[in-house]
Amino acid sequence: EDKVVQSPLSLVVHEGDTVTLNCSYEVTNFRSLLWYKQEKKAPTFLFMLTSSGIEKKSGRLSSILDKKELSSILNITATQTGDSAIYLCAVEIWVLTGGGNKLTFGTGTQLKVEL
Amino acid sequence: DTGVSQNPRHKITKRGQNVTFRCDPISEHNRLYWYRQTLGQGPEFLTYFQNEAQLEKSRLLSDRFSAERPKGSFSTLEIQRTEQGDSAMYLCASSLGVMNTEAFFGQGTRLTVV
Repeated sequence: EDKVVQSPLSLVVHEGDTVTLNCSYEVTNFRSLLWYKQEKKAPTFLFMLTSSGIEKKSGRLSSILDKKELSSILNITATQTGDSAIYLCAVEIWVLTGGGNKLTFGTGTQLKVEL
Repeated sequence: DTGVSQNPRHKITKRGQNVTFRCDPISEHNRLYWYRQTLGQGPEFLTYFQNEAQLEKSRLLSDRFSAERPKGSFSTLEIQRTEQGDSAMYLCASSLGVMNTEAFFGQGTRLTVV
């Protein structure tokens, strides 16, 4: 069964700290790994990673995929209270019967950034 | 608003009633997904359409659940004979296709079965 595991489950930091969120996966037919940020309602897309070792960066957020270790990390530097959210990791898997692909999500990391 | 739109945003229903939710994906997106999310969990895959074809259904989707996407545009998710365990956020997402598969989510429909 396809599995995506995130750690830690929750984290409390102070503004200005740097955090590293982890995602590991055991899936068949891996295509890509995606990170989402979920505040109150819908997850919003952050990054999509397909190649090992290539860092994707957006402002204070960055992420990298390690296909050998079947894992990814999401880094947030100089955290702000607005970064408080659930960060979801999802793995995109090829669906062989019928074609296409689907996302399997981890349970998320709840990040709280305090003043 | 050109994002994924879901209606209603909230639904409270009595156990045993049927409910139907609607999702309007981003207009040029041919892939549409339904997910269910309960408190403290990540979204769980329910089903997936490519255009009007329903290509996969999760084992989580019991016979009481049915989804359609009749013209390859909007989709509906119906739950018959609702149970308290169906209470959850139902999320719809869409993506462009083979080469652009980032999924964009709607705001969700929060279902409460009382």
